[in-house]
Amino acid sequence: GQNIDQPTEMTATEGAIVQINCTYQTSGFNGLFWYQQHAGEAPTFLSYNVLDGLEEKGRFSSFLSRSKGYSYLLLKELQMKDSASYLCAVSGGSGGYQKVTFGTGTKLQVIP
Amino acid sequence: DAMVIQNPRYQVTQFGKPVTLSCSQTLNHNVMYWYQQKSSQAPKLLFHYYDKDFNNEADTPDNFQSRRPNTSFCFLDIRSPGLGDAAMYLCATSRGRSGTTDTQYFGPGTRLTVL
Repeated sequence: GQNIDQPTEMTATEGAIVQINCTYQTSGFNGLFWYQQHAGEAPTFLSYNVLDGLEEKGRFSSFLSRSKGYSYLLLKELQMKDSASYLCAVSGGSGGYQKVTFGTGTKLQVIP
Repeated sequence: DAMVIQNPRYQVTQFGKPVTLSCSQTLNHNVMYWYQQKSSQAPKLLFHYYDKDFNNEADTPDNFQSRRPNTSFCFLDIRSPGLGDAAMYLCATSRGRSGTTDTQYFGPGTRLTVL
C-alpha cells in the first residue's frame, strides 16, 4: 500500500517563497507528482520527479529524495492566484499503468 | 486543443435515482480513470480502464459501475445514489506507457448533489 503525509494548511505572504513538504511510504515506487487544485476545480499537473534531485519549472520547483521518502514543492515569488490546494501523489506498481495515490493536499493561503 | 471533457459539470439527483456521468477525451490516451473526491479529502480512485480492460478498486462499492464503449468515452453509472455519494467525480486519462511514469490529466469534474 501507499501512505502519504503533507501539512493540512499553510499561509504565506505575496512575493515570498514557500516550501510544501510531502513524505511517503510505498512499494514499487515509480514517481511522485505534484498537482495544484483550486477550490471546486480539478487538479492540474505541476511536476513529477522520478529521480533524486531538484526539477525546476519557472516559479515552481520540486525535489525528491527516494531514500528518505521525501519530496517538497517550492513556490517562489508567490502570487495571490497561487492560493490553492497542492496535492502530492505517488505512483506505484508495475505494468503499462501505475496506480497513483493522492495525499489529502496542503491548502495554501497567500496573503497580501 | 486536446483535452478531457466531463458532462455535466453539475448534476443533481434524487436519493436512489440512477445517474450517469460522462467523460470524453481527445488525447487518444489508453487509460481512463474515475475518482471520487469529497471536500478536503484526497481524490479516491474508483476504477480505471486500460484500453478495454476494466480494473476495479477493491473498496469501490458495487453501486458504482463503469462503461467504456470506445477509446474516447467513459461513463460512470451510480445505480442507487445515497447521500454519502455526493462528491466531485473526476475523470482522468493517461497514455499508459509501460516502464515509465505516466502523468494523469484531469477533466474539470462533475459535482454531484443527492437530494
